[in-house]
Amino acid sequence: GAVVSQHPSRVICKSGTSVKIECRSLDFQATTMFWYRQFPKQSLMLMATSNEGSKATYEQGVEKDKFLINHASLTLSTLTVTSAHPEDSSFYICSARDPTSRGDTEAFFGQGTRLTVV
Amino acid sequence: AQSVTQLDSQVPVFEEAPVELRCNYSSSVSVYLFWYVQYPNQGLQLLLKYLSGSTLVKGINGFEAEFNKSQTSFHLRKPSVHISDTAEYFCAVTPPNAGGTSYGKLTFGQGTILTVHP
Repeated sequence: GAVVSQHPSRVICKSGTSVKIECRSLDFQATTMFWYRQFPKQSLMLMATSNEGSKATYEQGVEKDKFLINHASLTLSTLTVTSAHPEDSSFYICSARDPTSRGDTEAFFGQGTRLTVV
Repeated sequence: AQSVTQLDSQVPVFEEAPVELRCNYSSSVSVYLFWYVQYPNQGLQLLLKYLSGSTLVKGINGFEAEFNKSQTSFHLRKPSVHISDTAEYFCAVTPPNAGGTSYGKLTFGQGTILTVHP
């Protein structure tokens, strides 16, 4: 099956610094990737949709200047949390799909990144 | 817009007992439906999905789900659970793949924590 690798799995950073999270599709071309956030004991909420070579589309209420998304290649999307604060501490998870695939019926998830801002 | 309601936040059950995790959805358009499992501090693993056709869908690890259009439900069942099934389960929906890039934007339910006791 399709594999999506997310790195790092855990990161602790100081308040005010920036953190970059990578999401890679290992064995397929992910022209579309999705970024979700999961707060403790809550469900996953979609933050943004990124399409290779174009600007990301952010969901309502998500600050695009704070959560920078870059999808510069067909296999890599990055999420940078800028000027992180403790309230940004959360579990971030990406998913990816290949709309050009004839078998495109699902998005594949990465392992997630646990961000803790201290 | 779609919404998903998982009626039980926690379901405790004894090993080898049957279990049903309930999921109802609301949507103004037809949807594809998914069940995912999440183990602690890990990403999401797809259990099964309903796209079309037979309303009874069989997935991995002995799970199955039945799509009921009239009741807008997609309940997950397993006839005999194991300790290893202890995890959080998410029901999710997305509009059908119409060739656009929005397919795969999942709306998740709140999650159900299944705890299997020996």
